Amino acid sequence: DAMVIQNPRYQVTQFGKPVTLSCSQTLNHNVMYWYQQKSSQAPKLLFHYYDKDFNNEADTPDNFQSRRPNTSFCFLDIRSPGLGDAAMYLCATSERWGKLQETQYFGPGTRLLVL
Amino acid sequence: GENVEQHPSTLSVQEGDSAVIKCTYSDSASNYFPWYKQELGKGPQLIIDIRSNVGEKKDQRIAVTLNKTAKHFSLHITETQPEDSAVYFCAATFLGGSQGNLIFGKGTKLSVKP
Repeated sequence: DAMVIQNPRYQVTQFGKPVTLSCSQTLNHNVMYWYQQKSSQAPKLLFHYYDKDFNNEADTPDNFQSRRPNTSFCFLDIRSPGLGDAAMYLCATSERWGKLQETQYFGPGTRLLVL
Repeated sequence: GENVEQHPSTLSVQEGDSAVIKCTYSDSASNYFPWYKQELGKGPQLIIDIRSNVGEKKDQRIAVTLNKTAKHFSLHITETQPEDSAVYFCAATFLGGSQGNLIFGKGTKLSVKP
């Protein structure tokens, strides 16, 4: 089945130690998104890629970076995780970007714990 | 800024009853309104969506209605079952600075009691 895959499902890291979360998709969608979701809150968009075009949300901390080496894969790098970065990180995809908003399909998420 | 308000934040119903969740949005140019179901420890799953050229859409026990004049839309679940228990998020497109972004409501935790 075509889908959005996230690995690992659970990630434990130490305060200040860089960590990378990965996302892959078999939908061949042009757009990939990274969201942060804290407990009992709505997902918050960090950034998205439209093909190779990177778009950062204005309030996304510099500590968060992303890479998209090809259509299928996208990575979220947290350079120096703080305790406040513990959250569920969700990857999503959509076929296109623009005024005719396309459906976003979410992966299962990676829960990040910072010790 | 643009936002989506969702009510109620928690909803408890008996199995077999109906559940209704309501959302209002502020961007009059919004044209796409998806609903997501999120079970504990999982990612949001799209359950139904509606576009601005349609007033109502139904898929088995789930329906969504849209009132563009009043800028609100609602999710209706009939004949609820325990497996419907989850957090439900509404969302609307925000066609402002970051064109095409989805703005999410804060979620409704639905509990269906057997």
